[in-house]
Amino acid sequence: DSGVTQTPKHLITATGQRVTLRCSPRSGDLSVYWYQQSLDQGLQFLIQYYNGEERAKGNILERFSAQQFPDLHSELNLSSLELGDSALYFCASSGGQGIGETQYFGPGTRLLVL
Amino acid sequence: TQLLEQSPQFLSIQEGENLTVYCNSSSVFSSLQWYRQEPGEGPVLLVTVVTGGEVKKLKRLTFQFGDARKDSSLHITAAQTGDTGLYLCAGGEGNYQLIWGAGTKLIIKP
Repeated sequence: DSGVTQTPKHLITATGQRVTLRCSPRSGDLSVYWYQQSLDQGLQFLIQYYNGEERAKGNILERFSAQQFPDLHSELNLSSLELGDSALYFCASSGGQGIGETQYFGPGTRLLVL
Repeated sequence: TQLLEQSPQFLSIQEGENLTVYCNSSSVFSSLQWYRQEPGEGPVLLVTVVTGGEVKKLKRLTFQFGDARKDSSLHITAAQTGDTGLYLCAGGEGNYQLIWGAGTKLIIKP
């Protein structure tokens, strides 16, 4: 158990819909990272938040957005969903700003868009 | 753009055999991490190497960081079925995010 929790574990929705994925980092960790993992593209970094502020941005689509709240939990919002958005979405956390730090991954949310 | 290439992409061997997987880049990294991911779970850190030429051992797993800090290898001795998984390398440099390789999918057959 990494100490990172993600909900829901599974999500099935339809194209065009909007969903919110939730992540609680390990106690004391200030950085939260979001990743998308699909069969054909491996682990893709989406975005990082550090202590409530956006720190780094990866290959995140404009239809996706995220935020980190004062209690340090984070939400990833996916809108206008497409079939290709079906993937595993992981949240990870680390203690500081992330430079070379160990990232602790949650169990993931499996999203299926029909 | 920094890239990490992992090879092979897929490896299936018998229990008891030895294997080596590679993580290569044209860029220099200040640190390199290896993670293992089992089906349905998130990646879990195995080791971090930070010094060029560094070798770290974790039971039957031996990790090496290249002298120039551009590449790394993972050698598994006498592989066991429990070693099955996706092995990911990730490089750290002076920005805030890790650069991830696409992974080597390893299957150890009994």
